[in-house]
Amino acid sequence: DTGVSQDPRHKITKRGQNVTFRCDPISEHNRLYWYRQTLGQGPEFLTYFQNEAQLEKSRLLSDRFSAERPKGSFSTLEIQRTEQGDSAMYLCASSLFMNTGELFFGEGSRLTVL
Amino acid sequence: TQLLEQSPQFLSIQEGENLTVYCNSSSVFSSLQWYRQEPGEGPVLLVTVVTGGEVKKLKRLTFQFGDARKDSSLHITAAQPGDTGLYLCAGSNNNAGNMLTFGGGTRLMVKP
Repeated sequence: DTGVSQDPRHKITKRGQNVTFRCDPISEHNRLYWYRQTLGQGPEFLTYFQNEAQLEKSRLLSDRFSAERPKGSFSTLEIQRTEQGDSAMYLCASSLFMNTGELFFGEGSRLTVL
Repeated sequence: TQLLEQSPQFLSIQEGENLTVYCNSSSVFSSLQWYRQEPGEGPVLLVTVVTGGEVKKLKRLTFQFGDARKDSSLHITAAQPGDTGLYLCAGSNNNAGNMLTFGGGTRLMVKP
């Protein structure tokens, strides 16, 4: 399978713990995006990378959130000191630099903070 | 901030009926995508429209991009239970790194 893969698919944690999600994009895609989706809503943009450079961060991304893409391939999204409001589906997507902006999404990592 | 509003938010219909979902914005987008998402999965791209007034057909689905590139519609003919899901529109602006701005989605349920 050559699609976008995310790990873990599900994570349950206690408030205050740190969690990390990993995303492996489609291999030839140089852009990687993180989105957050809460139940019944559309995805909200968090951040994106072009190769290893983080080019944009949403104001939604508090200082407890950090994302990296060290070698321009896989990416990690870490949430420190989790809060119940962080419970959501975290979606990763990748794309080639192209005008039409089509994204290919992974299946998401669902976070539940107790 | 560019916003996309979808209507209706929820739609429950019988198999065989037709329906239209709307996606509206006050902003101009360079392109607009429609995605379908099933529970527990990521969104899957259905179509991209890039030209004002463009109409694209995908089997029983017809997508239209408004002349001013501010709105779009999705029409499904003779809906089937397999069409059940969350339909999301998303706009892209070339000046913003091709980041997508998503609408809130339309949740469609087609009953057999």
